[in-house]
Amino acid sequence: SAVISQKPSRDICQRGTSLTIQCQVDSQVTMMFWYRQQPGQSLTLIATANQGSEATYESGFVIDKFPISRPNLTFSTLTVSNMSPEDSSIYLCSVAPGGDSSYEQYFGPGTRLTVT
Amino acid sequence: AQSVAQPEDQVNVAEGNPLTVKCTYSVSGNPYLFWYVQYPNRGLQFLLKYITGDNLVKGSYGFEAEFNKSQTSFHLKKPSALVSDSALYFCAVRDTGTYKYIFGTGTRLKVLA
Repeated sequence: SAVISQKPSRDICQRGTSLTIQCQVDSQVTMMFWYRQQPGQSLTLIATANQGSEATYESGFVIDKFPISRPNLTFSTLTVSNMSPEDSSIYLCSVAPGGDSSYEQYFGPGTRLTVT
Repeated sequence: AQSVAQPEDQVNVAEGNPLTVKCTYSVSGNPYLFWYVQYPNRGLQFLLKYITGDNLVKGSYGFEAEFNKSQTSFHLKKPSALVSDSALYFCAVRDTGTYKYIFGTGTRLKVLA
């Protein structure tokens, strides 16, 4: 398994501003993922972030809006840019520490973002 | 396209009774299936997975799930529910050939004392 922390745990931001969310893992992992969970809904994958390569974004998500950094094997950031109230969500990072041999992902506690 | 469905938005069960949370899937090829639980203001916790082998999979906190290929189902079960089991439960399938998860819509389990 893996222990994952996220900062901040929650924030209230004004529209038009940007917020950077940090994700820290207690072990080295190749693959990290960023998800969005809108109020009362399921999880939607934003992007996959592998160390040493550009993040791969899912349909409906673009780098200008959600830039991601992955400077090393234990850390990643997701920035939510030019925020609007529609960006109010819980943002979660996850990792697959076992690679292909374990399949499961482990999730951070999430960052609850409210945009006013 | 691969998908999972959780037909119940909410399941209510009395403490001590058995519980079932339903999940059906649609995949091409062999399914990789997962259950996660989310407690209030917390991230998702891994409960169990089916990759191959025995159809009955045992996981954390006394939960188990039964893989049924003919019915394309992967229902989550527990013989005796606890009030502390009250949470949001997600079924997920891993996209064939990638690490991407496709999540169901979630089922809120409420265990009544």
